Amino acid sequence: GAGVSQTPSNKVTEKGKYVELRCDPISGHTALYWYRQSLGQGPEFLIYFQGTGAADDSGLPNDRFFAVRPEGSVSTLKIQRTERGDSAVYLCASSLIGGPGTGELFFGEGSRLTVL
Amino acid sequence: TQLLEQSPQFLSIQEGENLTVYCNSSSVFSSLQWYRQEPGEGPVLLVTVVTGGEVKKLKRLTFQFGDARKDSSLHITAAQPGDTGLYLCAGAGSNDYKLSFGAGTTVTVRA
Repeated sequence: GAGVSQTPSNKVTEKGKYVELRCDPISGHTALYWYRQSLGQGPEFLIYFQGTGAADDSGLPNDRFFAVRPEGSVSTLKIQRTERGDSAVYLCASSLIGGPGTGELFFGEGSRLTVL
Repeated sequence: TQLLEQSPQFLSIQEGENLTVYCNSSSVFSSLQWYRQEPGEGPVLLVTVVTGGEVKKLKRLTFQFGDARKDSSLHITAAQPGDTGLYLCAGAGSNDYKLSFGAGTTVTVRA
């Protein structure tokens, strides 16, 4: 596609359930980022992939959160045993070269997660 | 924890007026970016500044990076309703691949 695609756009789940959020980056972009944005806040970094490997996962809040990018393209963010505090918009971004200091991040529209 | 502080948090002005939003930090950044985000969409890059003291202009928008590379400002001249949105600043350290975002300034331009 022309831009970063995220699915689902909206997800409502119950506390304790497992959730997967998918990101399809711009073709050819080697760098992929996951951010989380709560109401009234700026995006909060979660994890950064360069190719297939997680180059920086320091933003993942705890071990319930995990992300993969097995073929260096599509990425999946996985959240186990969801909690109400996980409710937020999860944004995915990709970049051609990686390294935000020099490159532009292209964001998807986000996946809005609501945990009841 | 947000390393970048943005002010004001909210700004509502009449069409044709000027406005300035600020982005401040105690940290030095190798580069700083400004994004605009509209409801239901992801942020879209407006500009990247990398040199202390740098000034960049994008039509009616003027961006300045502080001499010490710790702060930045965005000035909009003759604001239009289409300028309405959430303006986010984001910085990266020299060895840091992750962008740290401020909380944003919500700008509303009334027709």
